[in-house]
Amino acid sequence: GNSVTQMEGPVTLSEEAFLTINCTYTATGYPSLFWYVQYPGEGLQLLLKATKADDKGSNKGFEATYRKETTSFHLEKGSVQVSDSAVYFCALRKSGGTSYGKLTFGQGTILTVHP
Amino acid sequence: EAGVAQSPRYKIIEKRQSVAFWCNPISGHATLYWYQQILGQGPKLLIQFQNNGVVDDSQLPKDRFSAERLKGVDSTLKIQPAKLEDSAVYLCASSSLRSQLALFFGEGSRLTVL
Repeated sequence: GNSVTQMEGPVTLSEEAFLTINCTYTATGYPSLFWYVQYPGEGLQLLLKATKADDKGSNKGFEATYRKETTSFHLEKGSVQVSDSAVYFCALRKSGGTSYGKLTFGQGTILTVHP
Repeated sequence: EAGVAQSPRYKIIEKRQSVAFWCNPISGHATLYWYQQILGQGPKLLIQFQNNGVVDDSQLPKDRFSAERLKGVDSTLKIQPAKLEDSAVYLCASSSLRSQLALFFGEGSRLTVL
C-alpha cells in the first residue's frame, strides 16, 4: 500500500539556518505529493504541492522537488524564521481511483526555530 | 470565505461513554473527510463523503464509529462506546469537485478518553 516516511524529529534550528526535512514515499503509479504545515493552535494548511515527476512546489520560501527516481519530496528553506516553528507533514495522494483527495500522511516533523 | 468549522474543540469523556463531533465544510464543497490524528502520528482517513454518499470508509472502526452527512452539507462523527485508544484529534476537511487536490482542514476536535 501507499506510505510516507519523514525524518525523525524534532528539529531545532537557529534563525536564518538552512532547513531540510526529508520525506520518502512508497506508492504505485504516479501520486501527487504535498507538504502540509500545522502552526500551534491552528488546523493543517497546505504549504506546497507537486503533481508530477520533476515538478517543484514552492511557497513562503519553502520548496520541494518531486524526485521519482529516489521516491522523495524533501522540504527545504534557505533561511528559517521563528515564525516557521510548526509541525510539517509530508503526504501523498494516489493517482486514479475514486477516493479523490484521500491523503496518506507521514508522521510529522516538529520544527522549532530559536532567535 | 468562512473556513471549515468544527465543534466542540475539546471533549473529555470516560471510556464506554459516547461522543459526537460536528463539522460544517466550506460552502459549496461536495467532498468531506474525517481524519483521526493520534498524538505523534500523521492524520489517518476515517471516512470520505461525496455529497451525502460514502466514497471510502475502509479504515472506519464500524463497531464503534459512525458518521453521516444527511443533507450533503454538514456532518457528524459519533463514537460509541469510546475506548482509551480513541484519544486523538478528529480533523474534518473539505474540497471542491473541481479542485480535489486542495483540502481545507478545520482546527480539529481534541478527544481525551479517561
